[in-house]
Amino acid sequence: QKEVEQDPGPLSVPEGAIVSLNCTYSNSAFQYFMWYRQYSRKGPELLMYTYSSGNKEDGRFTAQVDKSSKYISLFIRDSQPSDSATYLCASTLPYGGATNKLIFGTGTLLAVQP
Amino acid sequence: DVKVTQSSRYLVKRTGEKVFLECVQDMDHENMFWYRQDPGLGLRLIYFSYDVKMKEKGDIPEGYSVSREKKERFSLILESASTNQTSMYLCASSLERLAALYEQYFGPGTRLTVT
Repeated sequence: QKEVEQDPGPLSVPEGAIVSLNCTYSNSAFQYFMWYRQYSRKGPELLMYTYSSGNKEDGRFTAQVDKSSKYISLFIRDSQPSDSATYLCASTLPYGGATNKLIFGTGTLLAVQP
Repeated sequence: DVKVTQSSRYLVKRTGEKVFLECVQDMDHENMFWYRQDPGLGLRLIYFSYDVKMKEKGDIPEGYSVSREKKERFSLILESASTNQTSMYLCASSLERLAALYEQYFGPGTRLTVT
């Protein structure tokens, strides 16, 4: 079982739709949770991160973590064609571990149709 | 803006060649990382470095080595390229060790094909 699981999609939605992207993780010790966006032929760029459980909002984007169910979500409101990209979730253990590395999901490909 | 640059966008090499991938960051970051990205497998950490001349193995270091002689530069070396090393290689950097947990900045990637 992968430590972070993500539905690869592709997910196709019309412009203006609310998009829900989801990941599950297996290690209950994970503490930081990130969402990266990767456009075609580019490197990933950090969208937002959350620490422990709860919600975090940034413009049209909301990240949500439910530690009880080990579920990570990213919601995109009023989706735009420019949101079309691969979205990667990632998690890390608490600081102080021998290897503080990001553990990535495989990414979900999102296409927003104009 | 943090800028992470990689020496080549596309590279084609022959089996057995020694391959050098260069990465440079311009924000005085302490930490640098090398990942490879493959369909269905996601990003996997090859090596990372928390300081000049320091290196630590990631999840898949076999067949690779790294060099960090200057703070801004982190090189990935394929000692003898093989076809299973055909992949997208991504370099990343972060300000300091705690920030590495949640805020890594990636370069544009090098798509390496080994024939």
